[in-house]
Formats: sequence, structure tokens, C-alpha cells
Amino acid sequence: DSGVTQTPKHLITATGQRVTLRCSPRSGDLSVYWYQQSLDQGLQFLIQYYNGEERAKGNILERFSAQQFPDLHSELNLSSLELGDSALYFCASSVDRDRGSNTGELFFGEGSRLTVL
Amino acid sequence: GQQLNQSPQSMFIQEGEDVSMNCTSSSIFNTWLWYKQDPGEGPVLLIALYKAGELTSNGRLTAQFGITRKDSFLNISASIPSDVGIYFCAGQRSGGSEKLVFGKGTKLTVNP
Repeated sequence: DSGVTQTPKHLITATGQRVTLRCSPRSGDLSVYWYQQSLDQGLQFLIQYYNGEERAKGNILERFSAQQFPDLHSELNLSSLELGDSALYFCASSVDRDRGSNTGELFFGEGSRLTVL
Repeated sequence: GQQLNQSPQSMFIQEGEDVSMNCTSSSIFNTWLWYKQDPGEGPVLLIALYKAGELTSNGRLTAQFGITRKDSFLNISASIPSDVGIYFCAGQRSGGSEKLVFGKGTKLTVNP
């Protein structure tokens, strides 16, 4: 158990819909990262938050957005869903040094599997 | 953008065999890490390397940070069935807030 909690574990929805994925980081970790893992693809970095502020952005679509709340949990919002958005979405948290920098050691949740029909 | 080339894509081996996989990049990285993803789970960190030339072991696993800082390899000795999974290399250019870049993974199958 990594200490990172993600909900829901599985989600099936239709094209055009909007979903929210939730993540609680490990106790004490201030940074939250979101990754997308599609079939036969590696882990694509979407976005990082540190202590409530956006820290780094990857290949995140404009239809996707995220935020980190004062209690440090994070939500990833996916809207106007398309078939190609079907994937595993991972949240990770990290032990941070100053201002959101980290050693690269990430603790991943078990992922949320999104299926868009 | 930065890319990591991880090979092989997949491996099918017999229990007891040694395994070697590697990761290369056209860019220099200051940190190399190896993660393992079990089926239905999130990736878990196996080994982290922070210095060029560093050789680090974790049980039957050994990883090295290449001298050029553009590559890393992971060896698994005397494989066992629970070694099955996807192994990802990851690199980070600095110790700051640079995002971690992942390879596409090596899928390992171990036949008993």
C-alpha cells in the first residue's frame, strides 16, 4: 500500500460526458502528480500541483483540468470525453524538497480506469 | 520533447534466468529511476540513481547510471515468477520541479 488513494477504481461513461477523478496523497506529501497510461503506452505526465498551486504542466488537453485543495487532495476533471480518453489515470505524490522540487521518487495510487463508450 | 527509449519492449524468460533491460536518451539526465508495475497496480519504485556511474543493488536487482548520463540499465538475477510485470525507466533532468520522463516500459513474462 503506497498510501496514495484514488477513487473511483473503475468508471464507465459515454462520449461527451464529464468525470472527476479524486486523489488523496500520502500523509505529509505536498505534491500531487497526474499521469495517463493508455494501452501499450508509457506513463504520460499530465500535471503537477504543489501545496495547492500548479507546478508543472505536461501534455494535458484543454478539456482536462485539475486542482489541489487546502487539505491537499486533488481532483482531475475530464470533460467532453472522447473514445481516446479511455485509459488508466494515476495519481502520485512525492516527498518534496523546497518549493515542489523532488528526487523523482513518486508514490503511485492504484489508478482509476476510465472507459469511454 | 524529451524521450526515453526503453528496450526490449517485452521479454519472455524461464524462471532462474537473468534479465537485462536498458534505457537511453538523447538528453542528459541527472536522475535515473526504475519502477515496476504489477498487473492492476500502480508503479512502485525499485531503484533510484543520482550520480553518473553509480551502481546500486536492491536484492536481486542491480541498476547503473551511465557515465554519459544518457543511459541506464537494470539487471534482474535468478528471475522468479513474481518478477512478472512492466518495468519502467524514468529520468529527471534536474533536482527541481522538472517533470519525470518515463520510458514505455519492458513487459516481463517469467515461465515457471
